[in-house]
Amino acid sequence: QVQLVQSGSELKKPGASVKVSCKASGYTFTSYAMNWVRQAPGQGLEWMGWINTNTGNPTYAQGFTGRFVFSLDTSVSTAYLQISSLKAEDTAVYYCAKGSHDYWGQGTLVTVSS
Amino acid sequence: QTVVTQEPSFSVSPGGTVTLTCGLSSGSVSTSYYPSWYQQTPGQAPRTLIYSTNTRSSGVPDRFSGSILGNKAALTITGAQADDESDYYCVLYMGSNWVFGGGTKLTVL
Repeated sequence: QVQLVQSGSELKKPGASVKVSCKASGYTFTSYAMNWVRQAPGQGLEWMGWINTNTGNPTYAQGFTGRFVFSLDTSVSTAYLQISSLKAEDTAVYYCAKGSHDYWGQGTLVTVSS
Repeated sequence: QTVVTQEPSFSVSPGGTVTLTCGLSSGSVSTSYYPSWYQQTPGQAPRTLIYSTNTRSSGVPDRFSGSILGNKAALTITGAQADDESDYYCVLYMGSNWVFGGGTKLTVL
């Protein structure tokens, strides 16, 4: 069965970086794009962008350029989201979601606080 | 930038039928937007209900159905149950981007 398992919660100070992982299983990793979705506390879902798991080419939504980087390690069927120069407003749950968002990871809470 | 619109809140009686919609600030939703629907309860990841307009995700009961109604995508819940009380989100595919609606908070009472 398809599973997306994300890394655990992170507590970071402003200005630091964080890397969230999303390990896929139960399907051919390179056959489907991987999306990243943010949900700030008490807010809705926000599409951050996606990465082509075949070519590694990322596409970033408006508002998620510059400090956000999507990457892959296809040898272990894992996608990564790295956020640099963290700000308090980056505090959110980050989800990975396969392809047309048919399967989702469990979410990773990133808290940015001094 | 085009905004995806959803009703902020909706209420349904137990056993009743409710239709939630997903529209565009400009234009009409069609199957070409591959509308999908998700249910989310507090503290949980979204659960996929419907994708590509009307395909039910595995394990989703058939009282959840998706369609295009007029110029919007629609999610209809028939025979509403107490545990249907959740937030519901739609997402539309727009070229190379996906855009989520703001979500609908459904109350069953």
